[in-house]
Formats: sequence, structure tokens, C-alpha cells
Amino acid sequence: DTGVSQNPRHKITKRGQNVTFRCDPISEHNRLYWYRQTLGQGPEFLTYFQNEAQLEKSRLLSDRFSAERPKGSFSTLEIQRTEQGDSAMYLCASSLIAGTGNTIYFGEGSWLTVV
Amino acid sequence: GESVGLHLPTLSVQEGDNSIINCAYSNSASDYFIWYKQESGKGPQFIIDIRSNMDKRQGQRVTVLLNKTVKHLSLQIAATQPGDSAVYFCAENIDAQGGSEKLVFGKGMKLTVNP
Repeated sequence: DTGVSQNPRHKITKRGQNVTFRCDPISEHNRLYWYRQTLGQGPEFLTYFQNEAQLEKSRLLSDRFSAERPKGSFSTLEIQRTEQGDSAMYLCASSLIAGTGNTIYFGEGSWLTVV
Repeated sequence: GESVGLHLPTLSVQEGDNSIINCAYSNSASDYFIWYKQESGKGPQFIIDIRSNMDKRQGQRVTVLLNKTVKHLSLQIAATQPGDSAVYFCAENIDAQGGSEKLVFGKGMKLTVNP
């Protein structure tokens, strides 16, 4: 499978613990995005990278959240001191800059439950 | 604030019928629109996109229509099949031409196809 890969797919953690999610984008895609989705809602933009540079961050990305893409390939999203309100599905997506289109492909998501 | 919304939260159709899913957007500056399909427990799957310089685009069994005058987007699915059952999201990019990568999603509309 050559799609966007995310792991772990499911994570249950106690409030106050740190969690990290990993995303492997589609090969050669230079843009990588993180979104968050809660039940019954559409995905909400968190941040995106072009290669290793983080170019845009949403106000939803509080100080407890940090995303990295050190080598311009895979990315990690870390949430520190998790809160119950962080429970959601965290979606990663990637795209390749093209002249006429920039289709964004999503992974299957990482479910986070904070108890 | 700017938002993307769907007119109908649920739609039930008979297998073989044509389906039409509607979406209203509020930001007249949006220049790129995407339809995604999301099955339970999975990430959004790209269906079709359209740029603001077009008013119609066709794919395999799907057609997207864009009416910029009334800021309305629709997805038509021909000969709907049980496998089309899912939640459908429309998303807009407010400034794709300017390099923005932020997609704004609506809440979603659930399509149920009855055999």
C-alpha cells in the first residue's frame, strides 16, 4: 500500500500523559498536513509542512502540541499533558505541488482517547 | 466566521438512483473545492475537486457543479451503489492560488444507499 500511513491507529492514554503519533506520507509528496476530527464534525486544520519547514499553524495547535518533520519525509505529532478534550481522531495528509492541482490525500487516522 | 456547510444532514436513496449532495460555502474568495467520502472508522477519501474557474467537472460516476453566484457546490453520484454509503464532506480552500493549504470542512452529510 502506497497511501498515507499513520500509527498507532488507536491510543488510549491517561490524562496528563504524553502521546506521539507518526505519519508517513505518500512517497515524494513534499507537503504534509495534520488535521483533527471529532465525532460528527469535519476535519479541522492543525498545521502543515513543506518538506521539513512548518509553514502554517492553526490556533487550535496549543503549546501542548508540537509537530515535526525533521528530514522532510515522515512527521510526528506530540501532545503533552493530554486533556480529555484532546480525544479525537488525528488525521495526516500529504500532497505534491503540481502545476494545476494539489490533491490532498488523507491517511486512516489515529484515534486518541484520553481517560 | 467563514464556514462551509451542508444543506442536508442525511440522505437515503435506493440502489441505482442518482444522488445529489449539496453544499453552501460562505467565502466568496474560495478558489478550490474538494469532495471527500469518509467511511466509518476511516480517513477521508478524495472523490473529486474543482477550481473556481470551472463550473462543472466530471469523474467516474460523479459530477461536481460549482455555482459561484450563489456560492453553492453539489456532488452528483450516478447509479448509486451500496458501497457509496458514507459521510460526504465538501471542503474549500480560501486561497489556493495564493499558496494557502488550509482546507475548511463542513460537518458532513450521511448518505445511505438501500438495496
